[in-house]
Amino acid sequence: AQTVTQSQPEMSVQEAETVTLSCTYDTSESDYYLFWYKQPPSRQMILVIRQEAYKQQNATENRFSVNFQKAAKSFSLKISDSQLGDAAMYFCAYRTPPYTGANSKLTFGKGITLSVRP
Amino acid sequence: DTAVSQTPKYLVTQMGNDKSIKCEQNLGHDTMYWYKQDSKKFLKIMFSYNNKELIINETVPNRFSPKSPDKAHLNLHINSLELGDSAVYFCASSQAGAETEAFFGQGTRLTVV
Repeated sequence: AQTVTQSQPEMSVQEAETVTLSCTYDTSESDYYLFWYKQPPSRQMILVIRQEAYKQQNATENRFSVNFQKAAKSFSLKISDSQLGDAAMYFCAYRTPPYTGANSKLTFGKGITLSVRP
Repeated sequence: DTAVSQTPKYLVTQMGNDKSIKCEQNLGHDTMYWYKQDSKKFLKIMFSYNNKELIINETVPNRFSPKSPDKAHLNLHINSLELGDSAVYFCASSQAGAETEAFFGQGTRLTVV
């Protein structure tokens, strides 16, 4: 079974600085998806960024980028120029390969609470 | 225009009661899910439905019964509520086999007293 590990329960960053959130996962598959979701106090789950395992290039979305190390099964999220609105809980998630079709599901890590200091 | 909507957002009820949570998606996805987020914020899948057919049932007590009248709707009915059922329940949808992420509803915070 796939597992996702986020070993840091909390992190703090100064506004405008850069922070990296760590995530490791375990799978025997070669094709899968990885995601970072943000959950602010409103509790809405918001997709931050996604990475397809077959793509070697690291995904980037504005201030958010990932460092995807497939061999090491590592998927960290880097937030540049941190803003107060980035304060939230961040979840790393693994999605089973597309060929699993309707059996596809997300497996989440335990999440990390990010606080941003003004 | 909300993509995945759940009702109600908050639900407070007494032990032993029966309650339902409704979910609707307007994204045209064929797969819908229920996830449970416990008091420690851990998210775990409960059920998935594809075109009204139950696909995933992750060892959830029989008191939980999902129902999908059509592929745009997935409801969750809970019988004989227990204190341990208190959690946030998220509905989500995605397209099976496609390279898309899951879209989540805003969650329903269920409190059993």
